[in-house]
Amino acid sequence: DAGVIQSPRHEVTEMGQEVTLRCKPISGHNSLFWYRQTMMRGLELLIYFNNNVPIDDSGMPEDRFSAKMPNASFSTLKIQPSEPRDSAVYFCASSARQGGTGELFFGEGSRLTVL
Amino acid sequence: DQQVKQNSPSLSVQEGRISILNCDYTNSMFDYFLWYKKYPAEGPTFLISISSIKDKNEDGRFTVFLNKSAKHLSLHIVPSQPGDSAVYFCAASLYGNNRLAFGKGNQVVVIP
Repeated sequence: DAGVIQSPRHEVTEMGQEVTLRCKPISGHNSLFWYRQTMMRGLELLIYFNNNVPIDDSGMPEDRFSAKMPNASFSTLKIQPSEPRDSAVYFCASSARQGGTGELFFGEGSRLTVL
Repeated sequence: DQQVKQNSPSLSVQEGRISILNCDYTNSMFDYFLWYKKYPAEGPTFLISISSIKDKNEDGRFTVFLNKSAKHLSLHIVPSQPGDSAVYFCAASLYGNNRLAFGKGNQVVVIP
């Protein structure tokens, strides 16, 4: 079975450019999460969706970050404009259990470098 | 503020010996705890979990211990194998809430 699929795996861009990260969750999973990993802060939850609806976006750093989930099989995380401090690995994860604590299945991550 | 803390960021252990990873949390409302394992260039994968109604959960070579009064949990790997070399993340949540708070991770290196 296909796991969580993220693209691109690597992105190098210049400060001020728009960055779009994409995620396809596991089919049938109804919860989707975006995490960011940095050396300083570890894994931070940015936002999560249940049944395509954003539930908690309190982890989104600032207005430059936005996330959408137009349908059950696709989500995007957009940074506009990007800054060097946004350099990190961004993980998407999905879960089958809404409400309870279900196991999260992570994608392989998108490594973003902003010059 | 970091609600889940993992100190001693790296650990080296001889193959066959025990690896012990520690995790502390600050939110006494957390009632479900998980460990994830991460290899380079891969996403974290679920390893083992424990709910607050238990103080121990075992799965093969992996055992998680929970001390609620101390707000502390630990992961024991016995015996350690070279394939266990990875970063281990501790995570915590409130049951019924999908939001997991993660620690910064511990690098484990198992020496053959």
